[in-house]
Amino acid sequence: KAGVTQTPRYLIKTRGQQVTLSCSPISGHRSVSWYQQTPGQGLQFLFEYFSETQRNKGNFPGRFSGRQFSNSRSEMNVSTLELGDSALYLCASSLAPGGGANEQFFGPGTRLTVL
Amino acid sequence: ILNVEQSPQSLHVQEGDSTNFTCSFPSSNFYALHWYRWETAKSPEALFVMTLNGDEKKKGRISATLNTKEGYSYLYIKGSQPEDSATYLCAQGTGTASKLTFGTGTRLQVTL
Repeated sequence: KAGVTQTPRYLIKTRGQQVTLSCSPISGHRSVSWYQQTPGQGLQFLFEYFSETQRNKGNFPGRFSGRQFSNSRSEMNVSTLELGDSALYLCASSLAPGGGANEQFFGPGTRLTVL
Repeated sequence: ILNVEQSPQSLHVQEGDSTNFTCSFPSSNFYALHWYRWETAKSPEALFVMTLNGDEKKKGRISATLNTKEGYSYLYIKGSQPEDSATYLCAQGTGTASKLTFGTGTRLQVTL
């Protein structure tokens, strides 16, 4: 069974641009969550999607948005990039949403660098 | 404890040593505690999901315990091997969403 895949793996953008990251969950998984990791910080929760609906959102500005498609693939978008958005962005999939006891499977991440 | 905290921040042991790390978390409204192993350039790999006070879980040479009343979990590695070198993360899960609140991790380096 293929794992969670994320594309692209590396990305370089300049301030003010926007970026879209993609996540394909494990087949059969319908919940996708996104996390950001910056140096010195633990993984910070961005948002969670299930059945094309955002179920939960972390404490991030509105420049961060996402969506989920009918095949459970998810994208996240960051508009008007800032230097502080440079980070590793991870997505995780699980069979079902809700219940923080569900095992989540992570992708390898997308490393975004904003110059 | 207001957040998930892990100690030590980093650890350097020799092959064959046994070691342990601590994860502290808010004990009120506890739901679940996750442990992950994250090797450089790879995806975080789930080790354990623990929900019951007093729970003990084991996977090979790695085991974990959980105390929800006092808000801590220990991860033990018996007879460390170089392939155990990784960052070990703990995360608290809530009952209402898949959101996990992570600690900053313990970075383990095992040398020959």
